[in-house]
Amino acid sequence: GENVEQHPSTLSVQEGDSAVIKCTYSDSASNYFPWYKQELGKRPQLIIDIRSNVGEKKDQRIAVTLNKTAKHFSLHITETQPEDSAVYFCAASRGSGTYKYIFGTGTRLKVLA
Amino acid sequence: SAVISQKPSRDICQRGTSLTIQCQVDSQVTMMFWYRQQPGQSLTLIATANQGSEATYESGFVIDKFPISRPNLTFSTLTVSNMSPEDSSIYLCSGDGTGSSTDTQYFGPGTRLTVL
Repeated sequence: GENVEQHPSTLSVQEGDSAVIKCTYSDSASNYFPWYKQELGKRPQLIIDIRSNVGEKKDQRIAVTLNKTAKHFSLHITETQPEDSAVYFCAASRGSGTYKYIFGTGTRLKVLA
Repeated sequence: SAVISQKPSRDICQRGTSLTIQCQVDSQVTMMFWYRQQPGQSLTLIATANQGSEATYESGFVIDKFPISRPNLTFSTLTVSNMSPEDSSIYLCSGDGTGSSTDTQYFGPGTRLTVL
């Protein structure tokens, strides 16, 4: 069945360093890839997304890259801050023209001050 | 983006009882979804709430256990029926945004359910 693999499951970085989280999807028809940040006890919040017709997207300290051929997409956070500490989930749309997502397993990011 | 609220925020229930969770969106949305999130785990889609018709359930979830209503484009309910401790989880609803990015989902704050 369709799935999204996410690595690493936990990631600790020093404040100011960069963090990279990687996801691989299996459905070649997936065309929308959002990233969510979930702080403890809070709702998942969309932080950035990318569509299959774009290879890279950047929003201040956050960027996402997509390699459709390899079915990989990655989240890059630069100049990390303690408030970036959270669980991050990647997701892939289930096929094209569907609004359903398959979520990755999550990455717990800890930024050490 | 849509603003989504849920009621109740948390509840503690006895096994064998049922709980109905409400999800309200501040604007009309095309799609609404219900998810379950076990502590420390990812989100699992339960079903798509369809306005004016029966919900579409994912594999492993059935209408008798998780009946869903969606009477209009801003509101949906999920009932967890005949609960057991295994149903203890966080239940989240989501809705797509209005405008062109209708495949972007925005989440409610979740309902933390504990079944004793």
